[in-house]
Amino acid sequence: DAMVIQNPRYQVTQFGKPVTLSCSQTLNHNVMYWYQQKSSQAPKLLFHYYDKDFNNEADTPDNFQSRRPNTSFCFLDIRSPGLGDAAMYLCATSRGRYNEQFFGPGTRLTVL
Amino acid sequence: DAKTTQPPSMDCAEGRAANLPCNHSTISGNEYVYWYRQIHSQGPQYIIHGLKNNETNEMASLIITEDRKSSTLILPHATLRDTAVYYCIVRPWTNAGKSTFGDGTTLTVKP
Repeated sequence: DAMVIQNPRYQVTQFGKPVTLSCSQTLNHNVMYWYQQKSSQAPKLLFHYYDKDFNNEADTPDNFQSRRPNTSFCFLDIRSPGLGDAAMYLCATSRGRYNEQFFGPGTRLTVL
Repeated sequence: DAKTTQPPSMDCAEGRAANLPCNHSTISGNEYVYWYRQIHSQGPQYIIHGLKNNETNEMASLIITEDRKSSTLILPHATLRDTAVYYCIVRPWTNAGKSTFGDGTTLTVKP
């Protein structure tokens, strides 16, 4: 089945230690998104790629970066995680900007 | 961006229709109404979307008022597996970066 895959499902890192979360898709969608979802809150868009074009949300901290080496993969890099960055990170894809988004299961990040 | 207002929680009896309201009084002409749901510890799942006409698919129906300032998601025969947080989102047709999730409605389907 075509899907959005996120690895790992659970990630533990130390305060200030860089961490990378990965997302892959078999849907061949050209748009990929990263969301942050804190406990009992709605998902918050961090940024998205339209093909190779990176689109950052205005309030996304500089601590968060992203890479998309090819259509299938997208990475979220947190350069110096703080305790406030502990959250579920969701990857999503869509075909074009106009269609529904397909979400992965998320990676739950714990910062010690 | 248009904001949405949803009741924080609702209950529904299993087998009955669940009607989830959403207010989007500042919606503009090029914004669509999307509905997603999120079952506990999973990623959100797309349900349905519409512009101004009522829409129906295998999961749900979407009723949008004539002035487009509010909408209702209808699950015709709710099951226990429909227990989830339901998000109503308004989204311009021209910019993917403005999919802003509101607070959502926690729907609990009870036996």
